[in-house]
Amino acid sequence: DGGITQSPKYLFRKEGQNVTLSCEQNLNHDAMYWYRQDPGQGLRLIYYSQIVNDFQKGDIAEGYSVSREKKESFPLTVTSAQKNPTAFYLCASSIPTTGGEAGELFFGEGSRLTVL
Amino acid sequence: KNEVEQSPQNLTAQEGEFITINCSYSVGISALHWLQQHPGGGIVSLFMLSSGKKKHGRLIATINIQEKHSSLHITASHPRDSAVYICASPTQGGSEKLVFGKGTKLTVNP
Repeated sequence: DGGITQSPKYLFRKEGQNVTLSCEQNLNHDAMYWYRQDPGQGLRLIYYSQIVNDFQKGDIAEGYSVSREKKESFPLTVTSAQKNPTAFYLCASSIPTTGGEAGELFFGEGSRLTVL
Repeated sequence: KNEVEQSPQNLTAQEGEFITINCSYSVGISALHWLQQHPGGGIVSLFMLSSGKKKHGRLIATINIQEKHSSLHITASHPRDSAVYICASPTQGGSEKLVFGKGTKLTVNP
């Protein structure tokens, strides 16, 4: 079945360590997104990519990095520069509408990162 | 920049009740998304609509582009409808980026 797979589901990190969250999709979608969710807040955009080998910063990109070497894959690295990384991270993909806006979104199950 | 507001923040209902969740936004856009987040955290897309009304099973979504307002209705609510419902719209017309509401937590008691 087509969908988005995120891993790991739970991750613990010590302060000062970089960690990479995996996001793989087999929906053949061009656009992929990384969101962060904190309690009581709406999802916030970290990075997005509309095409292979290209990505754009979202609203809270500081302390994060991404790559898009393949259409199917959009990994997110949480670096030690991210001061408050404990959060729930969601990856999504979509096919843009003809107007250029995000089409129907498909989400992974999320990765919960805890910094010890 | 578009601002998205949802109401209510929390909603408790008895099984069988008719549920309404509201979403307002501040910038003219062409489409709005309704999403459902399960207790485990996974999110599924319920609707993407740009005008009028869409229906899927017991769920109905409406949008009034002129008033910048959308509603999600659940008829004959069931405990399995308990979830957080989130609306989202583009940050501005033609933008790939979305701004999300904080969500409405719905609890349906048997």
